[in-house]
Amino acid sequence: AQSVTQLDSHVSVSEGTPVLLRCNYSSSYSPSLFWYVQHPNKGLQLLLKYTSAATLVKGINGFEAEFKKSETSFHLTKPSAHMSDAAEYFCVVWGMIKAAGNKLTFGGGTRVLVKP
Amino acid sequence: NAGVTQTPKFQVLKTGQSMTLQCAQDMNHEYMSWYRQDPGMGLRLIHYSVGAGITDQGEVPNGYNVSRSTTEDFPLRLLSAAPSQTSVYFCASSQSPQETQYFGPGTRLLVL
Repeated sequence: AQSVTQLDSHVSVSEGTPVLLRCNYSSSYSPSLFWYVQHPNKGLQLLLKYTSAATLVKGINGFEAEFKKSETSFHLTKPSAHMSDAAEYFCVVWGMIKAAGNKLTFGGGTRVLVKP
Repeated sequence: NAGVTQTPKFQVLKTGQSMTLQCAQDMNHEYMSWYRQDPGMGLRLIHYSVGAGITDQGEVPNGYNVSRSTTEDFPLRLLSAAPSQTSVYFCASSQSPQETQYFGPGTRLLVL
């Protein structure tokens, strides 16, 4: 089976401090992994994606994520939070397993609050 | 280039009514999908399509129908609306499921 667990439903940080959003996945094969961001009342936008190239992936707006196969994790980080980072973040997996078909699996989301 | 468009943006239905949520994309994408978003549950896949004439069920297909007669359009039909279908619905498209998904702005549905 294919699943995604975002370990924190809410994260609160102060502006200028680091952000860490944790994601663990399970997939029988080497997956493709994504992080999407959703600002209030908006659709989802791609932050970054991993597709079996470099394990450290850089995305937009200063975000990056590291793929760790041994830990089945794909945590998202940013060195310094900005007020505009307040949003909900989704970890998403696509894996080439027959049971999952051509489907993406979304984590439950992490809502980020940035305090001034 | 409009990307992915969805109509309507907001809809109120009474229990038992039917309606169609429209989704269109102008990027010539083969893969299109419908999700519903409920608080604390992320996005759950309702139906998806890998090309014109081909559709398949996702995690939560009951109460919804889809068709894909053209590459551009992927409407979602609610057959007989229920309060449990109150949600925000997103349509997405991409060249394939492992590529970047482009999401529409969403349709907020309230079923009374």
